[in-house]
Amino acid sequence: QSVLTQPPSVSGAPGQRVTISCTGSRSNIGAGHDVHWYQQLPGTAPKLLIYDNNNRPSGVPDRFSGSKSGSSASLAIIGLQAEDEADYYCQSYDSSLSGSNVFGTGTKVTVL
Amino acid sequence: QVQLQESGPGLVKPSETLSLTCTVSGGSIRTYYWSWLRQSPGKGLEWIGHVYSSGSTEYNPSLKSRVTISLDMPKNQFSLKVRSVTAADTAVYYCARGRMSCSGGSCYERFDPWGQGTLVTVSS
Repeated sequence: QSVLTQPPSVSGAPGQRVTISCTGSRSNIGAGHDVHWYQQLPGTAPKLLIYDNNNRPSGVPDRFSGSKSGSSASLAIIGLQAEDEADYYCQSYDSSLSGSNVFGTGTKVTVL
Repeated sequence: QVQLQESGPGLVKPSETLSLTCTVSGGSIRTYYWSWLRQSPGKGLEWIGHVYSSGSTEYNPSLKSRVTISLDMPKNQFSLKVRSVTAADTAVYYCARGRMSCSGGSCYERFDPWGQGTLVTVSS
């Protein structure tokens, strides 16, 4: 069971801004652990989109941005495009028990 | 450009051992961490564990008792074994390179790139 909670779905028209929240707790995001974001297009493997809270790998458009505050993180897509329709997952580290990498529940972004 | 490719049986019987191999091309497994992850409809994305180039391993505590990840340096491959599988182990299994960022004494792993994934079904 995922320890990071995301909304199941968000939607927006082309050109709009959408945000996806990732809510954790004191043992993961709230402990200061970094957050990464992945995009999963239909039928493909996840692809790294944002790392270390707010950094974009080479090749990722600057309309994607990440932020973190307290026990939560957010991914923003500014200027939504049709090709952004995908599933998005956050990932962090949870230091409870023996510690482990953990993922969010996932959010389906629909472009209207 | 590093690429990863999973291979192995797509069907495993309950109580048997699931075995998968990840072949790495375009780079050496002598650096970085090398991870296995899985994705099932019921549990979403789950990190299984990783092996470092030194051979040291770390596993998800929920799977630790049943999992082994190991390196094959000459073949530039790493492998996954999950023992005593049940239907709950049915998932798409991915291999991925793990990259660490460290600051303030803490290090955090991100996964990039990923293999295309392979579906493993546990059924008799």
